[in-house]
Amino acid sequence: ELKVEQNPLFLSMQEGKNYTIYCNYSTTSDRLYWYRQDPGKSLESLFVLLSNGAVKQEGRLMASLDTKARLSTLHITAAVHDLSATYFCAVPGTYKYIFGTGTRLKVLA
Amino acid sequence: DGGITQSPKYLFRKEGQNVTLSCEQNLNHDAMYWYRQDPGQGLRLIYYSQIVNDFQKGDIAEGYSVSREKKESFPLTVTSAQKNPTAFYLCASSILAGGFNEQFFGPGTRLTVL
Repeated sequence: ELKVEQNPLFLSMQEGKNYTIYCNYSTTSDRLYWYRQDPGKSLESLFVLLSNGAVKQEGRLMASLDTKARLSTLHITAAVHDLSATYFCAVPGTYKYIFGTGTRLKVLA
Repeated sequence: DGGITQSPKYLFRKEGQNVTLSCEQNLNHDAMYWYRQDPGQGLRLIYYSQIVNDFQKGDIAEGYSVSREKKESFPLTVTSAQKNPTAFYLCASSILAGGFNEQFFGPGTRLTVL
């Protein structure tokens, strides 16, 4: 059974600092998705990673995928308050998607 | 504009009532999904449909029912058999079933049992 684990579950960080969120999954997959969810809102697509070694960057966020290690990272550079949200990774199964538990990020001024 | 719409945004249910949540998409996607999200938790799959007139149970289908009579519509009924339905319900779609295509989400329906 495909399992997806994220860590940390909660992250409180100061503005201007860097940090990394990790997403580990249990079976072979050559693609992975990252989403952002603001409180009370739906999920918004952030990154689509389609192959081993894929790296995508958008503003202060950078996502990468290592399919051999079954690991994706979401790196935050010089955090700002607007990045406060919950971040989910998702890995494709046969007919559905398996979501990680989510990382709740709070950026403190 | 292409996208996924869900209605209503907020829904209140009395004990013992069935309620239906609407999900419509104009993206011409074959696959549609329903998820449940409890406060502070991740997403759990209720039902999914790969094609019109076909659907499969997800991980927590008990107490829920769906239909897929049209490609663009995938309504979810929360029955009285669902004992704790208070949650945030998200509908999603993708071009084809499976994870090889990006999944897009609707704005969600927040259901509260009175």
